[in-house]
Amino acid sequence: EAGVAQSPRYKIIEKRQSVAFWCNPISGHATLYWYQQILGQGPKLLIQFQNNGVVDDSQLPKDRFSAERLKGVDSTLKIQPAKLEDSAVYLCASSLVGQQITYNEQFFGPGTRLTVL
Amino acid sequence: AQTVTQSQPEMSVQEAETVTLSCTYDTSENNYYLFWYKQPPSRQMILVIRQEAYKQQNATENRFSVNFQKAAKSFSLKISDSQLGDTAMYFCAFMGQGAQKLVFGQGTRLTINP
Repeated sequence: EAGVAQSPRYKIIEKRQSVAFWCNPISGHATLYWYQQILGQGPKLLIQFQNNGVVDDSQLPKDRFSAERLKGVDSTLKIQPAKLEDSAVYLCASSLVGQQITYNEQFFGPGTRLTVL
Repeated sequence: AQTVTQSQPEMSVQEAETVTLSCTYDTSENNYYLFWYKQPPSRQMILVIRQEAYKQQNATENRFSVNFQKAAKSFSLKISDSQLGDTAMYFCAFMGQGAQKLVFGQGTRLTINP
């Protein structure tokens, strides 16, 4: 079974530029998560989708970050314009179903390391 | 809001030794899940072990076991017979029942020395 795919693996941009990250979840996984992991910290949830609807985006800086999940499969996360403090690893994860009583394991992708100069 | 605290930024032990990583958390929920994740230099998060709060028995997975103290809100990870491949960042994480979102601690960098 293929895992969660992310691209690119690395990205270097200058502040005020825009950047986009792509995630392809495990086939059949309805729930998709984007986490931001700043160096030396644990990952922090930015946004959670179930199918193509947003479940939780309470920690997404909406003035500069946007995300979409077209057709309930692939997802893109965009930053425009980028700031120095956006330098981080952006992790995508997926699980079978979210918002349920039972637990569903989240499977993580390899992440995209963003450096903003 | 839930918080997860890992008070050991770094730990180092010799191969084959036993090491314990500490984690405390804060929540008002009664039913929840706790996890330990491993993140090697490749950055891929790997689930090590999971504990359901309603289970009194501590979870074990081969060389990995936890000490879950619900009243104290403590959740430590014990790695027995440590191996070089255990070298990684280890994150403690919390998930409330129904929310399905993970709240992570700051991580502990574990180094296993030959």
